[in-house]
Amino acid sequence: NAGVTQTPKFQVLKTGQSMTLQCAQDMNHNSMYWYRQDPGMGLRLIYYSASEGTTDKGEVPNGYNVSRLNKREFSLRLESAAPSQTSVYFCASSLGGYTEAFFGQGTRLTVV
Amino acid sequence: GIQVEQSPPDLILQEGANSTLRCNFSDSVNNLQWFHQNPWGQLINLFYIPSGTKQNGRLSATTVATERYSLLYISSSQTTDSGVYFCAVDILTGGGNKLTFGTGTQLKVEL
Repeated sequence: NAGVTQTPKFQVLKTGQSMTLQCAQDMNHNSMYWYRQDPGMGLRLIYYSASEGTTDKGEVPNGYNVSRLNKREFSLRLESAAPSQTSVYFCASSLGGYTEAFFGQGTRLTVV
Repeated sequence: GIQVEQSPPDLILQEGANSTLRCNFSDSVNNLQWFHQNPWGQLINLFYIPSGTKQNGRLSATTVATERYSLLYISSSQTTDSGVYFCAVDILTGGGNKLTFGTGTQLKVEL
């Protein structure tokens, strides 16, 4: 089992460019999440999808959009990247509700 | 929103020493997890422990939900234990799916 897989692992963007971060899980989990981690801080929730077909905003959703493509895949899109979006992005999944979450290996994004 | 405080923020140990990391939270929770972020940035699940005590090898954790804290014990520390330890909680009335992370404890284990 691969668990939670994110692509790409590293990315450099210029201000104003767009990109999509991909996430896939093979654990048959219902819920998926996107977090960002800034230096010296814990992770903050950007968006989550409690189940296929639903998405909701988390703590820091501005500047992002998400798509729950199917039960396995949950993508995060930056339409017009800004330097403030330089961060490490983590995707996670869980069965749902108050259950254990498992994280991908992260995507390190730099916006110049 | 819920506040999650971890202490100490930084910790340096000699190999073989024991340590206790603490996580305080400001609301009733229905989910609490401990993670280890290794020097390569990977988040590794240590414990899913909304209440009670669990042990896994040299690590153990205790959550006292009624008093709103959790403790992570590391015994006989090794250099591979270095990294950042995070606790994350999900509040009882939040409907699930919203882990809030503390700012972590940075641990360095030296020879």
